[in-house]
Amino acid sequence: DAKTTQPTSMDCAEGRAANLPCNHSTISGNEYVYWYRQIHSQGPQYIIHGLKNNETNEMASLIITEDRKSSTLILPHATLRDTAVYYCILHLSGAQKLVFGQGTRLTINP
Amino acid sequence: SAVISQKPSRDICQRGTSLTIQCQVDSQVTMMFWYRQQPGQSLTLIATANQGSEATYESGFVIDKFPISRPNLTFSTLTVSNMSPEDSSIYLCSVVLGFPTKAFFGQGTRLTVV
Repeated sequence: DAKTTQPTSMDCAEGRAANLPCNHSTISGNEYVYWYRQIHSQGPQYIIHGLKNNETNEMASLIITEDRKSSTLILPHATLRDTAVYYCILHLSGAQKLVFGQGTRLTINP
Repeated sequence: SAVISQKPSRDICQRGTSLTIQCQVDSQVTMMFWYRQQPGQSLTLIATANQGSEATYESGFVIDKFPISRPNLTFSTLTVSNMSPEDSSIYLCSVVLGFPTKAFFGQGTRLTVV
């Protein structure tokens, strides 16, 4: 699986949009971009994934650049419960095991 | 989606002993995955457990230290053998479903070895 690069940590004010970047310059054409998060003392939780197009679900939006070398996860109205480590992971559509990087520790401040 | 139950949720164990962690999934799955998360670190895959065959271990992990059982399509166990303080970690069970696949995780087992 290709490698991703994320900032180590970020802060965001409660109620504002949290924008988490991810660089994946060596992504291959059939690799998806996935985002998971891990709230303290819990197992990771799936958030969203995409291949080429931007995606939105009830949790977040995923913006993927046209060249697919980077992406941004957007939490539109961050709450204190969104404080977590966010992982950007690349893998093939049928891939089973995940390779986790260090992720971004997002802190939402009141 | 999948609901994954892990037992125990946490334990404190003496060095030299062994602990078996159980993972129960609410649906049948071909493969189950065991991850380790050392303090302050990200997740690292230990092994992949297939029903009816031996588990496949990642580099740096061996069967003698982390024996795995997979008796049916909804259950697996991971044993941490001859524990030392360096084994203090969170151990997580995971499955993947759907296409494109999505991974689901148990809540983890927080192990402290003293």
